[in-house]
Amino acid sequence: EAQVTQNPRYLITVTGKKLTVTCSQNMNHEYMSWYRQDPGLGLRQIYYSMNVEVTDKGDVPEGYKVSRKEKRNFPLILESPSPNQTSLYFCASRPQGLAYEQYFGPGTRLTVT
Amino acid sequence: DQQVKQNSPSLSVQEGRISILNCDYTNSMFDYFLWYKKYPAEGPTFLISISSIKDKNEDGRFTVFLNKSAKHLSLHIVPSQPGDSAVYFCAASVVQGAQKLVFGQGTRLTINP
Repeated sequence: EAQVTQNPRYLITVTGKKLTVTCSQNMNHEYMSWYRQDPGLGLRQIYYSMNVEVTDKGDVPEGYKVSRKEKRNFPLILESPSPNQTSLYFCASRPQGLAYEQYFGPGTRLTVT
Repeated sequence: DQQVKQNSPSLSVQEGRISILNCDYTNSMFDYFLWYKKYPAEGPTFLISISSIKDKNEDGRFTVFLNKSAKHLSLHIVPSQPGDSAVYFCAASVVQGAQKLVFGQGTRLTINP
């Protein structure tokens, strides 16, 4: 089954404790991205990657890091989480080219206390 | 600076009637528009899209209309069904470059039996 998976689905952590949210897709897509969803703000892009070893900032990259060492994986790293990073996070992927329809993972609900 | 706006946070419609969800955008460079549907505890799923060279696109019960001069698009669902109850996001993109999706805030649609 073609899908984007994220782990963990739910996470409660404390300020400053480094964490990683994993994202993996099995569709051989070149393009992957991370979004956060907040009430009244919709989905905002954090980082995206056009292909392996090619990443770039989205609209709200502060406090986040990413890496793309393999085509299928695109982990999101929070080196020192803060309460304002409490949010619902989505990973998405799509093939390169004129294909705008992104496939989203199920989401990771993160709470930073 | 919200480039894509959905001004109605919620909409309630009776089953069998038409649901109309609206979206406005400010960036005249956008040339591709999409609607996504999101159920609780799931990621958004692609619903329908439209290129700026068209003013209408239909897919079954779903029709998207684009008014470029007004920078406005709408999603019509006819007839509305209980399974259509979800949050709907509109998104816009520019064909050239990174083809980033910019999302609106979302509209929660409730279909009442």
